[in-house]
Amino acid sequence: QVQLVESGGGLVKPGGSLRLSCAASGFTFSDYYMSWIRQAPGKGLEWVSYISSSSSYTNYADSVKGRFTISRDNAKNSLYLQMNSLRAEDTAVYYCARSSTVVTPSDYWGQGTLVTVSS
Amino acid sequence: EIVLTQSPGTLSLSPGERATLSCRASQSVSSSYLAWYQQKPGQAPRLLIYGASSRATGIPDRFSGSGSGTDFTLTISRLEPEDFAVYYCQQYGSSWWTFGQGTKVEIK
Repeated sequence: QVQLVESGGGLVKPGGSLRLSCAASGFTFSDYYMSWIRQAPGKGLEWVSYISSSSSYTNYADSVKGRFTISRDNAKNSLYLQMNSLRAEDTAVYYCARSSTVVTPSDYWGQGTLVTVSS
Repeated sequence: EIVLTQSPGTLSLSPGERATLSCRASQSVSSSYLAWYQQKPGQAPRLLIYGASSRATGIPDRFSGSGSGTDFTLTISRLEPEDFAVYYCQQYGSSWWTFGQGTKVEIK
């Protein structure tokens, strides 16, 4: 069955960096767009970034553009999010999710990893 | 960026009642690329509806979606105990995906 397992979250100081990973299994990873979506504590969902199946196309929310970088390794069935210059407002649970294309919704989500940015 | 506004913020209903949730977009959603998700506490969101009106795999037929352009609706025909949760709409027709702020359906 489809599984997405995020890791790499934790406590980091403002201005610091963190790299999130998402391990995928149960489907042909290289056929799917992948995305990161976050949820601040007690708040709603916010799309962060997506990447095409071949890594040829990426896009970012304005709130993270220039600070976050999405990437993937299809040989390792893994998705990544490099987060630099972290701010308190980046504190959230970060979910990875898959989509068939850029114009299909996210049909499977991981359970999320918590990132806390605090001094 | 397309802004999605959901209403009401909270819906207080009893099991067996009908729930009607609204999602309004600040501009037309391309090709009805509008989805609805359900989220329960401590869980990841679950896809319910895509393309404004198509049910995702395994979703009961008491859930239905409708609408086009800027106005969309999620209807739960008869609320089951497991349906009390937060519901989000999402548009994925523009390059920048956006979500509504959510509607909480709570037990009256």
